[in-house]
Amino acid sequence: GESVGLHLPTLSVQEGDNSIINCAYSNSASDYFIWYKQESGKGPQFIIDIRSNMDKRQGQRVTVLLNKTVKHLSLQIAATQPGDSAVYFCAENSEAAGNKLTFGGGTRVLVKP
Amino acid sequence: DAGVTQSPTHLIKTRGQQVTLRCSPKSGHDTVSWYQQALGQGPQFIFQYYEEEERQRGNFPDRFSGHQFPNYSSELNVNALLLGDSALYLCASSSPTTGGLGYTFGSGTRLTVV
Repeated sequence: GESVGLHLPTLSVQEGDNSIINCAYSNSASDYFIWYKQESGKGPQFIIDIRSNMDKRQGQRVTVLLNKTVKHLSLQIAATQPGDSAVYFCAENSEAAGNKLTFGGGTRVLVKP
Repeated sequence: DAGVTQSPTHLIKTRGQQVTLRCSPKSGHDTVSWYQQALGQGPQFIFQYYEEEERQRGNFPDRFSGHQFPNYSSELNVNALLLGDSALYLCASSSPTTGGLGYTFGSGTRLTVV
């Protein structure tokens, strides 16, 4: 069935370094992909999205890359800070499927001081 | 401006019981979606309500049902609770103009079934 998954369950990174979180997807009909950040005790928080007709999008300290050839996307966080410690999810959305999000399993990012 | 509000924040139920969870959407949003998030997993879509009707449903049994009220708030009901229903239940609101990019999630209700 359709799925969105992640390669690494836990990522430990030194404060100030860059973080890269990876995600694989299987539904080639997805219209766009979204990265969410979920802190303990909170719901997912929107970080950045990318449409399927793009291959790169930048935000504040974050960059998302999309490789449709291998159905892979990544989230890069520059100069990782302690406040970046959280679980990160990628999700895919298809407007034809009614805008319901399909989430992957998540990657926990631990920032070491 | 209040975001999505869910209640209660935590509750414990016994197997076989029934539970009702509540959600108030963000101001200006009229669509409510419910997700189940098991520990260590990504959220799984349960169903979505718009104009007081279930518009879409994920792969969940009929024990899961919902309702949307005229003020756009929503309830999630689960009957005949199983241990496997223990999870964080998330409500997300949006509007037709924002679509899937405009989801705002609540902090969830942590349900424990014993």
